Formats: sequence, C-alpha cells, structure tokens
Amino acid sequence: GIQVEQSPPDLILQEGANSTLRCNFSDSVNNLQWFHQNPWGQLINLFYIPSGTKQNGRLSATTVATERYSLLYISSSQTTDSGVYFCAVFTDKLIFGTGTRLQVFP
Amino acid sequence: ETGVTQSPTHLIKTRGQQVTLRCSSQSGHNTVSWYQQALGQGPQFIFQYYREEENGRGNFPPRFSGLQFPNYSSELNVNALELDDSALYLCASSFSQNTEAFFGQGTRLTVV
Repeated sequence: GIQVEQSPPDLILQEGANSTLRCNFSDSVNNLQWFHQNPWGQLINLFYIPSGTKQNGRLSATTVATERYSLLYISSSQTTDSGVYFCAVFTDKLIFGTGTRLQVFP
Repeated sequence: ETGVTQSPTHLIKTRGQQVTLRCSSQSGHNTVSWYQQALGQGPQFIFQYYREEENGRGNFPPRFSGLQFPNYSSELNVNALELDDSALYLCASSFSQNTEAFFGQGTRLTVV
C-alpha cells in the first residue's frame, strides 16, 4: 500500500522562528489534507490541498502531486502552534503520515 | 452548522467487555469514517460508511463493527475488548467519499 512519510519527526523552535514540514507519499493520490493535533487529541483542519499553494494567515501549504510531496510552512511560530502535525492522503481511504511533533518555546 | 461530535469522551472498560462509541456527523455530510490512534502513532483507518453501507475497511478484525443510521450518525462497536484496544478513537465525516474530512474530538478508551 501507499507509504506516507513526514519529516522531520521532531522539531523544537523558539517563538518567532519559521519552519517547513515535509510530507512524501509513494503513489498517486486523489487529495491531501494537513492537520494539527492539539494536546487533547483534536485534529484541526489546516489545509485541503490536492495541488498548488494555499495560505491561511501564518500558515501556507504547497502540494506538488506529480512529484509526490507536500510542504507546510509555519512563519513566526507561536507557543500555541505546538502539537503534532499530520498530513493525510486520500486513496480509497484517508492514510495518515508518521507526523511531526513541534514544540515552540517562548 | 454543528461540527462532528463524539460520545463519550472518555471510557474505561474491562478486558473481554463490549463497547459502543457514537458519532454525529456534520450537517449535510453522508460519509463517516472511524480511526484508531494508539499512543504516539498516527490514526489508522478502521472502516468507512457511505449512505448506511460499509464502504471500505482497514486491517482490523471482525470484532470491530459499525453502523450508520438514516441521519448519517454512526456507531463503532468493539467486542471482546483486548488491552491493545486502548487508544483514541476518532470519527470523521465528509460531504461525500474522498472530500475534505472533518474530525470529532475523539473518544479515549482505556481497557484494563
């Protein structure tokens, strides 16, 4: 089956820093989503992005479907950005990546 | 418009018991999927329901079963609970198959 790998697995930043999270997938997919999982387990939708670039405030995402990767950019990070970031791809079901655990310190 | 809601939020069961988890889909959504997330792992697909029919299943044994009702709400049933079933169970709804999925807050199940 399709493999979805995220990097880096862990990221520690100081408030105000920028970061790039990467999601690689091994086969063609129908669509892709990015989520932020907060400490209580809730998965928050960030982007629904099968291809191209989208921006929402300090966050933006780019998916290059032909090269099988997606990037999530976080600018001017804040402590509230801490948590685990997942990408998930659609085949006939939603398959989650391995996750990136982000810690932002003041 | 209400989002996806799950109940209960926390549950403790004894090994061998049975459990039912519930999910109300977002208004206008006819597809519900269930996921199991073990500690430190990403969510794993259990199964999906589309218009009351099971429409895809992950690598989970038959003791994991489900239902979708005419109002598109859903239940996840797990029989003969095992210690390894302890996890966060997440429900997602979407407008149709392969469209954007929205998740509930999850049910944290502990099997002792």
